[in-house]
Amino acid sequence: AQTVTQSQPEMSVQEAETVTLSCTYDTSENNYYLFWYKQPPSRQMILVIRQEAYKQQNATENRFSVNFQKAAKSFSLKISDSQLGDTAMYFCAFMIVSSGGGADGLTFGKGTHLIIQP
Amino acid sequence: DSGVTQTPKHLITATGQRVTLRCSPRSGDLSVYWYQQSLDQGLQFLIQYYNGEERAKGNILERFSAQQFPDLHSELNLSSLELGDSALYFCASSLRPLANYGYTFGSGTRLTVV
Repeated sequence: AQTVTQSQPEMSVQEAETVTLSCTYDTSENNYYLFWYKQPPSRQMILVIRQEAYKQQNATENRFSVNFQKAAKSFSLKISDSQLGDTAMYFCAFMIVSSGGGADGLTFGKGTHLIIQP
Repeated sequence: DSGVTQTPKHLITATGQRVTLRCSPRSGDLSVYWYQQSLDQGLQFLIQYYNGEERAKGNILERFSAQQFPDLHSELNLSSLELGDSALYFCASSLRPLANYGYTFGSGTRLTVV
């Protein structure tokens, strides 16, 4: 079974600090995509960043970057210069690509509640 | 506004009842996904439709069913409701059947079963 583990239920940092959210996953598949989604209090799910498993280069999107370690099945999210608006639940997820080119949907972790303190 | 529209935003109903949740995908997107977010189970994939046809099925109960109509909007039908069905139900959409660039989520329908 595919699983995603986010070991930090809650984290709190000061504004402008850098914070890293951890994520590990378990799959025997080789072709998959990894994602971080953000869910602010508005409850909207917002895509933060994505990573192709076949790419060794870590993805970056402005202040957000990942550390993807495929052998260790680890996919952590680093937020630099954190802002008050970054306060949200953060979900790690992955999507397995089947041999037919389809996918069975995203498998999500339980989430990390990130609080940015002023 | 993500472009994915879900109605209603909130729904309160009694056990044993049946409800229908509606989703209009972002303009141009052909694929629709349904997810359930509950305190117990977290976020779970239920089902995917692409251009009117079922494409993938996740942890969807037999009491639940969905369909995608010719105008591409989708409905999720939940019947014989139980207290444990109380959750936030998300719809998401993507252009292609393989959403490797991620989905666009709607703001969800909060279902409360009493």
